[in-house]
Amino acid sequence: AQSVTQPDIHITVSEGASLELRCNYSYGATPYLFWYVQSPGQGLQLLLKYFSGDTLVQGIKGFEAEFKRSQSSFNLRKPSVHWSDAAEYFCAVGATMYSGGGADGLTFGKGTHLIIQP
Amino acid sequence: NAGVTQTPKFQVLKTGQSMTLQCAQDMNHNSMYWYRQDPGMGLRLIYYSASEGTTDKGEVPNGYNVSRLNKREFSLRLESAAPSQTSVYFCASSEAIIGERGRQPQHFGDGTRLSIL
Repeated sequence: AQSVTQPDIHITVSEGASLELRCNYSYGATPYLFWYVQSPGQGLQLLLKYFSGDTLVQGIKGFEAEFKRSQSSFNLRKPSVHWSDAAEYFCAVGATMYSGGGADGLTFGKGTHLIIQP
Repeated sequence: NAGVTQTPKFQVLKTGQSMTLQCAQDMNHNSMYWYRQDPGMGLRLIYYSASEGTTDKGEVPNGYNVSRLNKREFSLRLESAAPSQTSVYFCASSEAIIGERGRQPQHFGDGTRLSIL
């Protein structure tokens, strides 16, 4: 079964500093990987996704992520954070839910809470 | 705004009561999902529906039932609510259809915050 680990429960970064959120996955085949952001009281919004091809993926809001197969990682980065980036971030891996090849569900990590210091 | 709409946004129940959480999407998506989100647990899949007329269990289906009423609507029912079902419930939809893998992303509603006393 697939799994996702986000090692950092909380991360505090100063506004304007760079950011890296870690994500490690376990999956037996080529993974489909995602990063979502959740603002307080809101649903999840997709930041970026990796299906295949270029291992450096660009997303919305200035985020990017790099897929490293050898490390089973898909870390999220941003060169300079803004106060509005404070939120909960979830990494997820997509997998076939059953052998019939039906709809893909997502397995989520437990999330990283990002705090931005002024 | 188009997307996934969940009702109600908040609900308080007593143990043993029943209720149905409603979800509708207007993106003509085939697949729909129900997740629950608990502190420190991330999101866990309760049930999903690959297409109209089909439903399947996810990771944590016990205590829940679902109905895919039509392509737009996917409801989640708690027949006899228990305090362990206190959670935030998210409905999601995606373009994925049977036989096609990886056609996420999934679009999420804003959630239903459910408290069971």
